Amino acid sequence: DTAVSQTPKYLVTQMGNDKSIKCEQNLGHDTMYWYKQDSKKFLKIMFSYNNKELIINETVPNRFSPKSPDKAHLNLHINSLELGDSAVYFCASSPGWRGEVQYFGPGTRLTVT
Amino acid sequence: AQSVTQLGSHVSVSEGALVLLRCNYSSSVPPYLFWYVQYPNQGLQLLLKYTSAATLVKGINGFEAEFKKSETSFHLTKPSAHMSDAAEYFCAVSDSGGGADGLTFGKGTHLIIQP
Repeated sequence: DTAVSQTPKYLVTQMGNDKSIKCEQNLGHDTMYWYKQDSKKFLKIMFSYNNKELIINETVPNRFSPKSPDKAHLNLHINSLELGDSAVYFCASSPGWRGEVQYFGPGTRLTVT
Repeated sequence: AQSVTQLGSHVSVSEGALVLLRCNYSSSVPPYLFWYVQYPNQGLQLLLKYTSAATLVKGINGFEAEFKKSETSFHLTKPSAHMSDAAEYFCAVSDSGGGADGLTFGKGTHLIIQP
């Protein structure tokens, strides 16, 4: 049983396309997150989502939008993809807000050509 | 604003030697501190977490970390390195204020184990 799963694992696409990455957690957690890991392995929070409350990192372009159909899912939609969007994207979940352990998915490697 | 500094982007030790990975944090409120490990092409796995219950925290795989408030440090150690410890290690902080802005990570330390 995978606690936090992401699909697809690899995504190769061209500039200007729109793509989505799906995330599902079966831990019953209330909070989900999206992180971006760049080529130097630096991890940065993009979004936090809890009970319909969304917190957006101010540096994230508005081409990125999270969508949560229910508490167990937080999908990431990216419009008009750019070369700089190439990275590994990680979904995570935690029981609540601050100080809770976050459980990470396996990551989605996005390559924009 | 909170931040994390990991000294040394690469650390190399011999198998059986002491592992020491350094982490210093900055936070305006009492922090929650974490160490995560990332094996190649995998997600992040929690090694240990500091919650203020004890300054010495024991984690999985023989790792432990000591919280030192006066030094704003949370260094990770393991007495005897094993080849399977080769991975990327991340220190992270989450402060105890309100809201939910996720974890702030250090830039990571790549641990190399020499046979």
